[in-house]
Amino acid sequence: GQNIDQPTEMTATEGAIVQINCTYQTSGFNGLFWYQQHAGEAPTFLSYNVLDGLEEKGRFSSFLSRSKGYSYLLLKELQMKDSASYLCAVSNDYKLSFGAGTTVTVRA
Amino acid sequence: TAGITQAPTSQILAAGRSMTLRCTQDMRHNAMYWYRQDLGLGLRLIHYSNTAGTTGKGEVPDGYSVSRANTDDFPLTLASAVPSQTSVYFCASSDGGELFFGEGSRLTVL
Repeated sequence: GQNIDQPTEMTATEGAIVQINCTYQTSGFNGLFWYQQHAGEAPTFLSYNVLDGLEEKGRFSSFLSRSKGYSYLLLKELQMKDSASYLCAVSNDYKLSFGAGTTVTVRA
Repeated sequence: TAGITQAPTSQILAAGRSMTLRCTQDMRHNAMYWYRQDLGLGLRLIHYSNTAGTTGKGEVPDGYSVSRANTDDFPLTLASAVPSQTSVYFCASSDGGELFFGEGSRLTVL
């Protein structure tokens, strides 16, 4: 099975940087995904890591260390619209298991 | 662009009644999934299908059944609903990469 842990809540100021950590224990691993979910909406794909290292996509970056069972999502130049839940998900046998999500609140 | 369509958007159901949540995708993805999302627990996999004609159990399959008669449709049935099945249900599809989610179906069982 999977055990995926991420913080429940984080608060940051507009224009700042926030790092959301995710640790996981899994019996198999095909990759790690990050999703964004605004309240009342469906999750939308942000990033995918299958090899160790940093993947950068605009203001969002994601890092993976497979040996440590660790990933983080870095959000730079925070905007009010970034207030949302961020879901860490591990792929095992091409089925995704999700963490409970981290609610990020961006304050002006 | 339709992507994944779920119906109904919202439903209130009496305990003991049956209900089918519909899911249709137009992306010709082989794999489809049903998740439920509950506060504090995140998304949990109910059932999945890797390709038309096959289905499998996820983390929380009890009380639910699915079928996959063709590539596009993946309905989820609750044979006899119970209050603990009150949740938001998301259907998703994949071509082997990221999941694409429908807008969700909010089900309340009283």
